[in-house]
This record gives sequence, structure tokens and C-alpha cells, in this order.
Amino acid sequence: QKEVEQNSGPLSVPEGAIASLNCTYSDRGSQSFFWYRQYSGKSPELIMSIYSNGDKEDGRFTAQLNKASQYVSLLIRDSQPSDSATYLCAVLFWDTDKLIFGTGTRLQVFP
Amino acid sequence: GAGVSQSPSNKVTEKGKDVELRCDPISGHTALYWYRQSLGQGLEFLIYFQGNSAPDKSGLPSDRFSAERTGGSVSTLTIQRTQQEDSAVYLCASSLARRDEQYFGPGTRLTVT
Repeated sequence: QKEVEQNSGPLSVPEGAIASLNCTYSDRGSQSFFWYRQYSGKSPELIMSIYSNGDKEDGRFTAQLNKASQYVSLLIRDSQPSDSATYLCAVLFWDTDKLIFGTGTRLQVFP
Repeated sequence: GAGVSQSPSNKVTEKGKDVELRCDPISGHTALYWYRQSLGQGLEFLIYFQGNSAPDKSGLPSDRFSAERTGGSVSTLTIQRTQQEDSAVYLCASSLARRDEQYFGPGTRLTVT
């Protein structure tokens, strides 16, 4: 059973701070990793993808992948109230070609 | 360019009726996926198409659910004899090829009364 786990939160951070969102996954096979943002009542929106160990930066977002520890994280720098949403970690397991989602972490950025 | 589109955006139906949900993927995307998201729940994989074929139907919850894709483009998810537990948001996503980034449509909110 392939699993993706996230802390449901809420994670509350003040405006301007760094928000750190974490995700762990089962299985050591080949995978691709994605972070989605989902506002209440809306569909998931792709933020970033990461395929190899290390950091990948895109604007205020940094994804970090550590395959040895089966751990992927998303850092949001200079958090804004508009970043308040649920962040979904998703792992594409190549042996099944299935994208498995975590249940999401709710982020609240307060002014 | 245009993103993934889904119709209808909302559907209210009576228990026992059949419903059809439509997905129009991003032009040129060969892979298409259906997911379901129940209130407060995570996304549940239903079915995946590569071109017109469905190599993985394992996520369909029962034989009341079926899906097809024609012309390598539009897909229809059909739910027969709807039940109240089918109430959820049905999301469609597409990707350029399998294993690529998936982009979601706005979803269809299905309510079975």
C-alpha cells in the first residue's frame, strides 16, 4: 500500500515568515514529487515539481527532496495572507503510474 | 492557452438516476485522469487514460462507474444508479504524457439527493 502522509495542521505563521510544510511517503521505488495548492472550494493548482534529491527554487517557493529519508518539503518565504490554503503533497509512483495525494496541510498566514 | 475544462460545474440528481460528467483536457495532452474528492477528504484516484485506452481502472469504486475517452481528447465519466455516497467533487486532470505534471480542471460538484 503506497502512502503519502502530511500533518493536517493548521499551520499558523505570521505574515513575512517562512512556512515549512512537510511530507513523507512509503516505498523506495522511482517516483516524481509534486506540491499543489488548493483554496477552499477550488481545484488543486500545481505549484512545483521535483524529481531529484536536493532543493529546487521557484520565486518564494523552495521544494526539498531527500529520497534516503523518504521526505519532501515545501518552504514558502515571505508568507502572505493570500498563501492561506491547503497544500497537497503528491507522489507519482512509477511502478503504477498513480499519483497518490496526502490529505493536505492547512496553512494560515495572519497579518 | 486554455486549461482543463469540465462540465457541468454543478449537478444535483436524485438517487437512482444516471449522470454523465465531461472533461476536456488541455490540447495535446495524451494522458487524462479522473479523481474524486469527498468533503474533507483527500483526492481519490479513479481512472487513468493514455490516449483512448485505460490501462488502470483499479480506482473505480464499483461497477456503477465507467469512463471512456474518444479521439484522444474528451472523456466522459458515467455513474449509473447514483447513490448518496457518490456525492463529491469529481476532478479531471491531464498531462502531456504519463508521469508528467498533472493540471486539474475546476471540477464537477455532484450532489445526490
